[in-house]
Amino acid sequence: ETGVTQSPTHLIKTRGQQVTLRCSSQSGHNTVSWYQQALGQGPQFIFQYYREEENGRGNFPPRFSGLQFPNYSSELNVNALELDDSALYLCASSATYRAGGDNEQFFGPGTRLTVL
Amino acid sequence: QKEVEQDPGPLSVPEGAIVSLNCTYSNSAFQYFMWYRQYSRKGPELLMYTYSSGNKEDGRFTAQVDKSSKYISLFIRDSQPSDSATYLCVTSKSGGSNYKLTFGKGTLLTVNP
Repeated sequence: ETGVTQSPTHLIKTRGQQVTLRCSSQSGHNTVSWYQQALGQGPQFIFQYYREEENGRGNFPPRFSGLQFPNYSSELNVNALELDDSALYLCASSATYRAGGDNEQFFGPGTRLTVL
Repeated sequence: QKEVEQDPGPLSVPEGAIVSLNCTYSNSAFQYFMWYRQYSRKGPELLMYTYSSGNKEDGRFTAQVDKSSKYISLFIRDSQPSDSATYLCVTSKSGGSNYKLTFGKGTLLTVNP
C-alpha cells in the first residue's frame, strides 16, 4: 500500500510569485486536507477537498486555493506569495464513508516552501 | 487565546523515564482528542485517539482526557531514544467523515540513552 506522497520536497520562491504543491492520496482514500506548519508551530488547517469540491476551510485568504482530481490527488495553489507563507505544507488523506466513523488522517512528509 | 495550548518544552529526559505531556483546550465543542507524533522532516502520525474522558492505554502510552477541566495528557512509560520526536496535542469537533484537526504547538521531546 502506497502512503501519502507530496511533491516537490523543497521549493524556493520570491515574494509575489505563485506556487503549486501536489499531493497523492493513500490508496482507497477519497478526502484530502491541507495544513500549513510554520516553524516551531503546530499545523493549521487550510482546507479540505472531498469529491472534487472544497469541503471546509480554515482562516486563510482566497489566494490559497486548491483542486482535487478524479483520482483523488490534489493541488494547493498559493498566489501572490508573501514572506509569511514560508512554512511546511502538509497534505493528509482520509477515507470518507457514508456511515462516518473514525477517519484517521494520514499525513505526507510535506513540502518545505521558502519565500524570499 | 489559542484553541489548544500545549506546554512548549523542549523536554529532555533519560532513557527509561516516565514522560508527561500536557495541553488544555478552550472550546467545549471539541469532542475528539488525539496525540500525533512528528519525527524530524516527517509528517505527523497518529499515536492515540480517544473521544471520552478517562484513560486509554496502548503499550507504553497512556492518553488521559478530562473534559470537565478541558485538560489532555499523554504519558510515556519506559521512554526510549526512539520516542524522541515532537508530540502534537490535537482536537476536533467531530470524528466523522469531514473534520478539521486543531493542533497545539507541539512539545519537542528528547530521550537520552
